Amino acid sequence: AQSVTQLGSHVSVSEGALVLLRCNYSSSVPPYLFWYVQYPNQGLQLLLKYTTGATLVKGINGFEAEFKKSETSFHLTKPSAHMSDAAEYFCAVSAAAGSARQLTFGSGTQLTVLP
Amino acid sequence: SAVISQKPSRDICQRGTSLTIQCQVDSQVTMMFWYRQQPGQSLTLIATANQGSEATYESGFVIDKFPISRPNLTFSTLTVSNMSPEDSSIYLCSVRTPGEQYFGPGTRLTVT
Repeated sequence: AQSVTQLGSHVSVSEGALVLLRCNYSSSVPPYLFWYVQYPNQGLQLLLKYTTGATLVKGINGFEAEFKKSETSFHLTKPSAHMSDAAEYFCAVSAAAGSARQLTFGSGTQLTVLP
Repeated sequence: SAVISQKPSRDICQRGTSLTIQCQVDSQVTMMFWYRQQPGQSLTLIATANQGSEATYESGFVIDKFPISRPNLTFSTLTVSNMSPEDSSIYLCSVRTPGEQYFGPGTRLTVT
């Protein structure tokens, strides 16, 4: 079984400030981890993913996330927020193997960027 | 990659009626999924629809309420039957390729 906890349903940062969105997961098998972004009235877009290998993963739009197995975390960061980053962000986990490999999503974090 | 379109993009329906949502993919994919995103909540998987087999429903979702068709490798439909206000949600189609999972833009359903 898998689960994802996103701490903070709403996060506000000033333009140019560090963005940190927190995600902790629970998985009984080696996980694949994902961050998706959803802009208003749009579907989900993959920001980045961790499967195997390097634990620091770089994604699109300057975002990155680090897989920390000991902390069961996969926090999303961006050094400098831009107004266009305002959106909802979802962390997700799936099993690394097996035919099912269903995505389990966190509850989402709404990011607001203040001018 | 995969580009997914959904129809309709939004609809307002009356209680007790049914709505069929269409999902079209620009490439052939084996695994297709339907998700529900209730207001202010995360995505919940409704069912997995693989071509050539019956859809597999997650706990809490039944075929009578959410019948699914998957006639070929690029198309699927989800019907929301006998709707109630609790069915007001965004319904998203999703496909999995070997490298990634893609999502459609969603169908925003409001039931009055």
